[in-house]
Amino acid sequence: DTGVSQNPRHKITKRGQNVTFRCDPISEHNRLYWYRQTLGQGPEFLTYFQNEAQLEKSRLLSDRFSAERPKGSFSTLEIQRTEQGDSAMYLCASRTNYEQYFGPGTRLTVT
Amino acid sequence: AQKITQTQPGMFVQEKEAVTLDCTYDTSDPSYGLFWYKQPSSGEMIFLIYQGSYDQQNATEGRYSLNFQKARKSANLVISASQLGDSAMYFCAMSVNSGNTPLVFGKGTRLSVIA
Repeated sequence: DTGVSQNPRHKITKRGQNVTFRCDPISEHNRLYWYRQTLGQGPEFLTYFQNEAQLEKSRLLSDRFSAERPKGSFSTLEIQRTEQGDSAMYLCASRTNYEQYFGPGTRLTVT
Repeated sequence: AQKITQTQPGMFVQEKEAVTLDCTYDTSDPSYGLFWYKQPSSGEMIFLIYQGSYDQQNATEGRYSLNFQKARKSANLVISASQLGDSAMYFCAMSVNSGNTPLVFGKGTRLSVIA
């Protein structure tokens, strides 16, 4: 068990570009969550999956954001036409019982 | 809707002393879970301790204990024998519906341990 992994760890992009992040959960965990954390705040929920089904999306998830979890394994989060306000830490977590285990996060900077 | 309130933006504690980090919550769901996470400067969220709303006893995990007062809707984290490595951001969070919903986090408390 290597824990939750996320790639890349850091991403710098220019406004208007598309970016994609990947999350690999702990293998036996069927639930996978995406959160966004801005400076000085706690993480805020974006979306989550049970196996391959996307069960809930936050109102924070504009139509520029899309997430997938094909085959119920890894997940990707794509942001299209990035804006400076998208700069944040994007955290992925997975769970099987009650506690959620987080990955190291992807820090996105939009210039 | 659920809400977590952490009223202490920053706390200082002397090494080897105990410290209490405050957390109050609000929900109308009778079945919920309360969590504490530690976030060092590296950014990773580290799970510390969990308390279920129906648990009769306060949760403990090593040097961490959760002071759960249901009537007051508080779930304070107590860290005993503080160590320099405890310096970090600490977040209180909750999930309802028997822990099946996404976590709602507070704004966090920055703990600094002084030698």
